[in-house]
Amino acid sequence: QVQLVQSGSELKKPGASVKISCQASGYSFTTSAINWVRQAPGQGLEWMGWINTDTGNPTYAQGFTGRFVFSLDTSVSTAYLQISSLKADDTAVYYCARTSYVHNGVDIWGQGTMVTVSS
Amino acid sequence: DIVMTQSPDSLAVSLGERATISCKSSQSVLFSSNNKNYLAWYQQKPGQPPKLLIYWASTRESGVPDRFSGSGSGTDFTLTISSLQAEDVAVYYCQQYYTTPFPFGPGTRVSIK
Repeated sequence: QVQLVQSGSELKKPGASVKISCQASGYSFTTSAINWVRQAPGQGLEWMGWINTDTGNPTYAQGFTGRFVFSLDTSVSTAYLQISSLKADDTAVYYCARTSYVHNGVDIWGQGTMVTVSS
Repeated sequence: DIVMTQSPDSLAVSLGERATISCKSSQSVLFSSNNKNYLAWYQQKPGQPPKLLIYWASTRESGVPDRFSGSGSGTDFTLTISSLQAEDVAVYYCQQYYTTPFPFGPGTRVSIK
């Protein structure tokens, strides 16, 4: 079935980097963009941006430029989110989610990856 | 950028009663070339990722119970749960996908009265 499977939880110290993976299966990876969404503890959903899986072109929302990088490895149908110079307020669950090629809304979500930044 | 707002912040409804959530966008999300509103509704239960309920403002995603319905056009939208069930306790978010960035609304928490 169509699914996105994300890498496991991470515990990092401030200033470190983290790279989260999101592996797609059950559909043709390059037909649908991958979105990244952040959810801080007890908070709502923040759209971080997306990456065109055909061209590799990323789009970042305001507040997610500079330290945040979206990338792909299409040979293994995987999208990545790398965050550098981690801060305590980067502590959150990070979701990848597929844009539907039918209606352009987000239809499939990964299970989420918890990133905890603590000294 | 488009800003999304929702009301109320939280809502307590008796089992079997109707729940209504409002979502407003600061600009129209109606795409004139296909007459579709680029607005989606999601349900998120604790410890789970969001689940798509409605796209194009009023089209129910496959497998979503028909007690969930979406309506509205332009800048004003509504999600209705016609007869609240215990399993509907969740936070509900709207999101516009008309133009980037694609912000979510702040969410509405639905509970049982």
